Amino acid sequence: DQQVKQNSPSLSVQEGRISILNCDYTNSMFDYFLWYKKYPAEGPTFLISISSIKDKNEDGRFTVFLNKSAKHLSLHIVPSQPGDSAVYFCAASALADSNYQLIWGAGTKLIIKP
Amino acid sequence: EPEVTQTPSHQVTQMGQEVILRCVPISNHLYFYWYRQILGQKVEFLVSFYNNEISEKSEIFDDQFSVERPDGSNFTLKIRSTKLEDSAMYFCASNRRGVYEQYFGPGTRLTVT
Repeated sequence: DQQVKQNSPSLSVQEGRISILNCDYTNSMFDYFLWYKKYPAEGPTFLISISSIKDKNEDGRFTVFLNKSAKHLSLHIVPSQPGDSAVYFCAASALADSNYQLIWGAGTKLIIKP
Repeated sequence: EPEVTQTPSHQVTQMGQEVILRCVPISNHLYFYWYRQILGQKVEFLVSFYNNEISEKSEIFDDQFSVERPDGSNFTLKIRSTKLEDSAMYFCASNRRGVYEQYFGPGTRLTVT
């Protein structure tokens, strides 16, 4: 049972344009969401997070949008840069989970074309 | 900036051998995790550890796996009798109480031949 889904295995975007990565979840208990970025042969790096009390969180070029009614979140990267080429993972957690366990999506490989 | 470290970076072992993967989490973190990623596949949760005991484990984490925090700094994953399908990148992560952002180490590539 995939509770967190990233339906696009890959995405190709022109440098300078907007990259939009999508994530859907099924568990209505999830109320905290995170995006991680991963380069080959490295560990995932935390990018940005959002709590369910917000619908948007912005950090520099990265913005995460949360649509609770649709159980959908997206990560926008503007403008996209070559260094953004990586695999992006969406993860979710329930704040009631005292173990802070994250449920991970399968990842989307973002390719930024020059 | 403090970071999670893992050793070795690459471990090659023969099938049936025991391996121990080592991690040093960030010093004020209390929650520790192991994940793995088989080449080309998604990151999979193995186990979480808090207060010197396992708090959650996945179906992958069977009796061949164990974790330990032998001292105040190291967090280890032991695989008792490795199989070919254990070949993967193994990532350690940690976080503080009250914070959901987990910080990952660079990983150990385990190759079982």
